[in-house]
Amino acid sequence: AQSVTQLDSQVPVFEEAPVELRCNYSSSVSVYLFWYVQYPNQGLQLLLKYLSGSTLVESINGFEAEFNKSQTSFHLRKPSVHISDTAEYFCAVMATGGSYIPTFGRGTSLIVHP
Amino acid sequence: ETGVTQTPRHLVMGMTNKKSLKCEQHLGHNAMYWYKQSAKKPLELMFVYNFKEQTENNSVPSRFSPECPNSSHLFLHLHTLQPEDSALYLCASSQLSAGANVLTFGAGSRLTVL
Repeated sequence: AQSVTQLDSQVPVFEEAPVELRCNYSSSVSVYLFWYVQYPNQGLQLLLKYLSGSTLVESINGFEAEFNKSQTSFHLRKPSVHISDTAEYFCAVMATGGSYIPTFGRGTSLIVHP
Repeated sequence: ETGVTQTPRHLVMGMTNKKSLKCEQHLGHNAMYWYKQSAKKPLELMFVYNFKEQTENNSVPSRFSPECPNSSHLFLHLHTLQPEDSALYLCASSQLSAGANVLTFGAGSRLTVL
């Protein structure tokens, strides 16, 4: 079975500051990794995913995440945040074989202040 | 309509009422899911349907009854709920195939049980 730990329940930052949202996972097999974002009053939507190949993956709105196998981490970063990035961010893990159902973390609330 | 549509968006019901939540996906996916999202708790997987067959039931109380008449529609029938069942109920769909399983979520149905 897989598990996900999001170390911070809430991360407040000022606009244009850099941010890192931390995610660690546990698995005995190789995994796919995902970040989903949930804006207020909306469902979750895929932000980015790591399947294989380059360990650095990027989203269209400036977020990036790096798969670190030795540290079993998949931290999400953005060099300069906007007010519109205020949302709940969920890290998820899925085994590459076996169960097709992802395991989600508890979520991190990113709050961007003007 | 595109994506995953959930109705109603908001529902208030008494403990003795019977109501249903509806989900429709317009993506041609072959798997559908119900999740429960409560404040300060991880996303809870409730039910999974794969090609209209229920493949997961995560020890959900019988007062929640799912129905999947076809691969595009999913219902959650609610009966004699408890106040602790108040939450955001999210529907999701995905196309199961080799590789990563990416879920597309609806906006959710906010349920309040009085």
